[in-house]
Amino acid sequence: AQSVSQHNHHVILSEAASLELGCNYSYGGTVNLFWYVQYPGQHLQLLLKYFSGDPLVKGIKGFEAEFIKSKFSFNLRKPSVQWSDTAEYFCAVRSGGSYIPTFGRGTSLIVHP
Amino acid sequence: SAVISQKPSRDICQRGTSLTIQCQVDSQVTMMFWYRQQPGQSLTLIATANQGSEATYESGFVIDKFPISRPNLTFSTLTVSNMSPEDSSIYLCSVGDSNIFYEQYFGPGTRLTVT
Repeated sequence: AQSVSQHNHHVILSEAASLELGCNYSYGGTVNLFWYVQYPGQHLQLLLKYFSGDPLVKGIKGFEAEFIKSKFSFNLRKPSVQWSDTAEYFCAVRSGGSYIPTFGRGTSLIVHP
Repeated sequence: SAVISQKPSRDICQRGTSLTIQCQVDSQVTMMFWYRQQPGQSLTLIATANQGSEATYESGFVIDKFPISRPNLTFSTLTVSNMSPEDSSIYLCSVGDSNIFYEQYFGPGTRLTVT
């Protein structure tokens, strides 16, 4: 069964700091990869996704993620965070022909102004 | 994208009672899912709601505890039966869009507290 690990459970940064959130998965075959974000009081929304092609994926609000197949990783990055990036971030991986992704346990990001 | 609404948004219930959560989508969708989200934990899939047939439950979840209905392509309900404090959680409705490689959209969630 697929498993998804998000190594950082809580991250606290100051505005303008750079961000990298780790995501690793276990399945070695074809995967679809997602990052979702949940802002305080709001519902989960898709930040970015990778299906094929360029492994460097750009999403909304200046976020990007890089798929490194050899490392089974899909880390999320942003060069300069803002206070409004305070949220919960979830990595999700779909594999093995399943329609249903497996979610990581999430990373809580707090950005201090 | 799909716009999903859930009712109620939150509720406080006594143990032993049942609560039915409604999920309404603004367009017809192939796949509807119910998740549970507990603080500090991953989203856990409860079941896939199939239109016109019984829901498909994940390991650890059973129909008697979480009966699901899906009468049409835009609506589903999840009932949490015979509740205990361990059922306190956020319950999320999600839909899959087959036109966009089954991209998923999530509802706002129902925050349930069982006392």
